Amino acid sequence: KNEVEQSPQNLTAQEGEFITINCSYSVGISALHWLQQHPGGGIVSLFMLSSGKKKHGRLIATINIQEKHSSLHITASHPRDSAVYICAVWSPGNQFYFGTGTSLTVIP
Amino acid sequence: DGGITQSPKYLFRKEGQNVTLSCEQNLNHDAMYWYRQDPGQGLRLIYYSQIVNDFQKGDIAEGYSVSREKKESFPLTVTSAQKNPTAFYLCASSINAGETQYFGPGTRLLVL
Repeated sequence: KNEVEQSPQNLTAQEGEFITINCSYSVGISALHWLQQHPGGGIVSLFMLSSGKKKHGRLIATINIQEKHSSLHITASHPRDSAVYICAVWSPGNQFYFGTGTSLTVIP
Repeated sequence: DGGITQSPKYLFRKEGQNVTLSCEQNLNHDAMYWYRQDPGQGLRLIYYSQIVNDFQKGDIAEGYSVSREKKESFPLTVTSAQKNPTAFYLCASSINAGETQYFGPGTRLLVL
């Protein structure tokens, strides 16, 4: 069993839809990261959070420490949001644990 | 411009050959990381370094070696002991270990 599980694995949405990607983890946590990987392979860090909620533009990330769960929301989705979204946990033991990613396609 | 660079973009290795992938950052970050990504798979940590002259093995360090002689540089050598080296290799850095990471553009390694 992976230490970090993401769902869904694949997601197709119409432009403008509200999107939610989920991440559950089983390890202790110092921080949780959401990353975005574009089709060319480049990776951008979207959020780092250890509690509560963060918002950046149309992206919102939340974390529930008690339930060991985080969500990434995209409001008013756009084709340029099409990418793979990766959840990663940095543990107190100085280890990174990565989910296998959620592949998002937004159709115009 | 501050950033993190990797070279080359594509690298070809012959059987039994060692190759070195370059990673340089001018962000003044203490921590640097090397990841491997196989098609359709997630990121896997090879090595990371929290500070100059120190580095730690990740999940898949066998067949790889690193050095951290300078803060700016964290080269990865793929040795002949790595039997399946064809993959996409990503380097990243962060102010401190576990903080927000900045990724390089990656190097695709192919075995001839």
